Amino acid sequence: EDKVVQSPLYLVVHEGDTVTLNCSYEVTNFRSLLWYKQEKKAPTFLFMLTSSGIEKKSGRLSSILDKKELFSILNITATQTGDSAVYLCVVNSGYALNFGKGTSLLVTP
Amino acid sequence: GAGVSQSPRYKVAKRGQDVALRCDPISGHVSLFWYQQALGQGPEFLTYFQNEAQLDKSGLPSDRFFAERPEGSVSTLKIQRTQQEDSAVYLCASSSWGIHTEAFFGQGTRLTVV
Repeated sequence: EDKVVQSPLYLVVHEGDTVTLNCSYEVTNFRSLLWYKQEKKAPTFLFMLTSSGIEKKSGRLSSILDKKELFSILNITATQTGDSAVYLCVVNSGYALNFGKGTSLLVTP
Repeated sequence: GAGVSQSPRYKVAKRGQDVALRCDPISGHVSLFWYQQALGQGPEFLTYFQNEAQLDKSGLPSDRFFAERPEGSVSTLKIQRTQQEDSAVYLCASSSWGIHTEAFFGQGTRLTVV
């Protein structure tokens, strides 16, 4: 059975801290790993990773994939209160999108 | 349209009522997914369409759930004889052809069964 495990499930930090969110997976027919930020209802796309060892960056966010060890991390540096959200890791295994339970991040002033 | 549109945004149904949830995907997107998201949980897969073909409906929790996409564009998720456990946010996502693309999500429909 395909599964995606995220950790930690909950994280509370102060503004300015750096956080690392983890995602490990076991899926057949791995195609890509995606990170989404979910505020309110609709997840918004952050990154798509298909190759090991290539870091993707967008502002203060970055992510990298390790296809040998089957995990990905999402880093957020200099966190801001606007980063508070649930971060979802999603693994595309062919036509199915397999979701982790998410990491709920709260950034306090 | 510019994004994935779902309607209604909120739906309150009495237990036993039938409901229909609509998803308008991004124009030209071949793939369409439905997910159910309970409070505090990640989205759970319900069903997948490629154009009008429903290729996977393994996530539909019971035969009260039915989805269609007759012309390969708009999709409707129908829930018959709603139960309280059906209360959740129902998310729709679409993506263009190919599996190496991200999925774009609608805002979801929050269904509350009372």
